Amino acid sequence: SAVISQKPSRDICQRGTSLTIQCQVDSQVTMMFWYRQQPGQSLTLIATANQGSEATYESGFVIDKFPISRPNLTFSTLTVSNMSPEDSSIYLCSVPSTGSEETQYFGPGTRLLVL
Amino acid sequence: QKEVEQNSGPLSVPEGAIASLNCTYSDRGSQSFFWYRQYSGKSPELIMFIYSNGDKEDGRFTAQLNKASQYVSLLIRDSQPSDSATYLCAVTNSGGSNYKLTFGKGTLLTVNP
Repeated sequence: SAVISQKPSRDICQRGTSLTIQCQVDSQVTMMFWYRQQPGQSLTLIATANQGSEATYESGFVIDKFPISRPNLTFSTLTVSNMSPEDSSIYLCSVPSTGSEETQYFGPGTRLLVL
Repeated sequence: QKEVEQNSGPLSVPEGAIASLNCTYSDRGSQSFFWYRQYSGKSPELIMFIYSNGDKEDGRFTAQLNKASQYVSLLIRDSQPSDSATYLCAVTNSGGSNYKLTFGKGTLLTVNP
């Protein structure tokens, strides 16, 4: 499986501010996924980031709140904009396995607390 | 709304016993099924996947799939304290987007020494 890193690993932010989370993969991948895991909840897909095209957002998530960049095949960023305490979550990026886009591997996650 | 249901637990088993984790899903067109293990404070780790009806074994883990009943399970034999974690069931959605995973809320497993 690919080696995935995320920065920052955790952060504490004030409401109204924005945080950009980075995801780096050690191999080229066509798709990268961004998930959110709210406290005590399971994972929810926010959007799919494709290189060279706009991200595809899931129902309930909008680009103005979660802008995504995908400048190349090994890197993506997710920005959480105008944060509120409800945005306190773990944010995870994932990438598909080589040869099987259904099998996904997750990065270590970014733990965000919004005060 | 496509759903994946799991018993939240906690499921408590003694060391050496068999732990049985269950999952049902609502999307009859789902093609692929996954079990992830998530230790507290860590990200999910893929431990098993299954595509066809029946059993699939990998070491101490066995995944079982019954598409007619829309049911998938994970058996952990000879449970160890290190198996204590939350186990997440995930399924792909039908409709052409096979990469989209829907996750259950997870079952917390505790293996007691």
